[in-house]
Amino acid sequence: GAVVSQHPSWVICKSGTSVKIECRSLDFQATTMFWYRQFPKKSLMLMATSNEGSKATYEQGVEKDKFLINHASLTLSTLTVTSAHPEDSSFYICSAPRQGAMNTEAFFGQGTRLTVV
Amino acid sequence: GESVGLHLPTLSVQEGDNSIINCAYSNSASDYFIWYKQESGKGPQFIIDIRSNMDKRQGQRVTVLLNKTVKHLSLQIAATQPGDSAVYFCAENPFSGGYNKLIFGAGTRLAVHP
Repeated sequence: GAVVSQHPSWVICKSGTSVKIECRSLDFQATTMFWYRQFPKKSLMLMATSNEGSKATYEQGVEKDKFLINHASLTLSTLTVTSAHPEDSSFYICSAPRQGAMNTEAFFGQGTRLTVV
Repeated sequence: GESVGLHLPTLSVQEGDNSIINCAYSNSASDYFIWYKQESGKGPQFIIDIRSNMDKRQGQRVTVLLNKTVKHLSLQIAATQPGDSAVYFCAENPFSGGYNKLIFGAGTRLAVHP
């Protein structure tokens, strides 16, 4: 079963409104989570690293005031797209690394399809 | 900047044949590589990984080969099945010393024909 849950799976919002996407680690704690953005037929582009209890680290070119990240607990990170516009329409995916017996594996959420109209 | 890239954007194979998906990386400091499978509308699914101190690793029907000399990574799928149809991404951890963010390649679409 899924170990990282993302909600909602899809959302349609009006231009100018804000949308919050949740990413939860289900059976493990994640001090770090990652947020990616994916355009159609393109690869995943890392947006930011979400750090529990501290500020997120944003990749170059990603507007931190546009994409607000909050990692309030060890199992939850949220991404809020503020004042959304049609160009923000995309597939957003989160991931959380889990330490296993042999290595650390990154588990991904099922993604959130955001459509801004 | 440094990036991970793929040679073939689309690969079509017959059911039962073996598939080989290639990936080139440019960051010599990368010490961990992963292959992911992504079906339409879903998040990436882990397939297999390999560390830089290995050159081959096998899983169930899949094998990953790593050639550090030419910075090349490949995923081999044996007896390809229709359910293998998806987009495959290679990813690298460019930061040594522990797990960190992943950098993804462009992706290859695998189409399996009956």
